[in-house]
Amino acid sequence: AQSVAQPEDQVNVAEGNPLTVKCTYSVSGNPYLFWYVQYPNRGLQFLLKYITGDNLVKGSYGFEAEFNKSQTSFHLKKPSALVSDSALYFCAVRDEGSSNTGKLIFGQGTTLQVKP
Amino acid sequence: KAGVTQTPRYLIKTRGQQVTLSCSPISGHRSVSWYQQTPGQGLQFLFEYFSETQRNKGNFPGRFSGRQFSNSRSEMNVSTLELGDSALYLCASSHGTDYEQYFGPGTRLTVT
Repeated sequence: AQSVAQPEDQVNVAEGNPLTVKCTYSVSGNPYLFWYVQYPNRGLQFLLKYITGDNLVKGSYGFEAEFNKSQTSFHLKKPSALVSDSALYFCAVRDEGSSNTGKLIFGQGTTLQVKP
Repeated sequence: KAGVTQTPRYLIKTRGQQVTLSCSPISGHRSVSWYQQTPGQGLQFLFEYFSETQRNKGNFPGRFSGRQFSNSRSEMNVSTLELGDSALYLCASSHGTDYEQYFGPGTRLTVT
């Protein structure tokens, strides 16, 4: 069965420093991977996706993610963190168990805390 | 372009009652998915509709049901509410399976 793991419940980083939020996945075929961010009392906002192509994917708000097939990872990165980046981040993979479905399987989420 | 809208935003119900939540997708999006978010279980898939047909269903009891209308708007219904149904219910829309999903702000349901 497909799964997504976010091994860190919380990541702390100082403003201006680079940040990484980790994600590993398990699928039997080619993965469709996504990153979303959630601010308090809000829905999820799409950041970026990997379907195929370049392993480095650029997304919204200066975020990027690196797809690594051999390590089955899709880590989210940003060169310089902002205090406003503090939020809950979710990695997700599209379920391939049923054909023609948009069902997403989410990781448990990682809280990013950026301190001034 | 307007985003995904969900109504109501907040709801308080009593155990045993039923509730209907509404979702209006982004214009042109034909796929609507519903997710339940709780602190303990995280984000869990409820069901997905495409062109008025349920295309996939998660592992939730039959008390949870949904439908989609010809204008792509969707509703989900929960009957015989239980305390454990208290959650943030999120609706998401997309063009199709290879596209990202865009989420609404959610409906916060509290069951007392």
